[in-house]
Amino acid sequence: GESVGLHLPTLSVQEGDNSIINCAYSNSASDYFIWYKQESGKGPQFIIDIRSNMDKRQGQRVTVLLNKTVKHLSLQIAATQPGDSAVYFCAEKLNTGNQFYFGTGTSLTVIP
Amino acid sequence: DTGVSQNPRHKITKRGQNVTFRCDPISEHNRLYWYRQTLGQGPEFLTYFQNEAQLEKSRLLSDRFSAERPKGSFSTLEIQRTEQGDSAMYLCASSLAGTSNTIYFGEGSWLTVV
Repeated sequence: GESVGLHLPTLSVQEGDNSIINCAYSNSASDYFIWYKQESGKGPQFIIDIRSNMDKRQGQRVTVLLNKTVKHLSLQIAATQPGDSAVYFCAEKLNTGNQFYFGTGTSLTVIP
Repeated sequence: DTGVSQNPRHKITKRGQNVTFRCDPISEHNRLYWYRQTLGQGPEFLTYFQNEAQLEKSRLLSDRFSAERPKGSFSTLEIQRTEQGDSAMYLCASSLAGTSNTIYFGEGSWLTVV
């Protein structure tokens, strides 16, 4: 499979601070990326996506940045809340197919 | 709009038994995916369907695994002669081809082989 990796397996932040979760991907043929949030015992929940022809996309309290030069993706969460505690995955899709490749995940813990 | 529905949510089976999981995708989604996830890992692709056609299968999908989507709506994933290494969460996802390609997951079916 393709290599989609995360720089930090765990991240702890204080409630109210901003969080940044990073993801490296290896294939320059990736054309679409998604960030998912997964709480314990549940399926991955869609957060935000970005196409390879974009550098930045914003949602509600979340921003995804894509740097194709260094094959790096990040998820920024503003004013992190306890409910944001979960494992976050980035997933990439190649322009040659329809399956998504997932990284290992980063576990985010928000400290009240 | 109901999400992706999977059942059973939990299954404990003895090694060597067969198990079947069912997935009902989001209504009108024509693509359906199966993934497997073990503890501490990200989901791994197994197979996907567009309508009733199985278009792609991972090397992870051994001969003991078979997936069907007979009418292009719900899908089943069967594991024959289960092994302890099959213990995992089996995730189903669906998407609507031709739009955003975003895939939406169900809550998964946990399999424990004892």
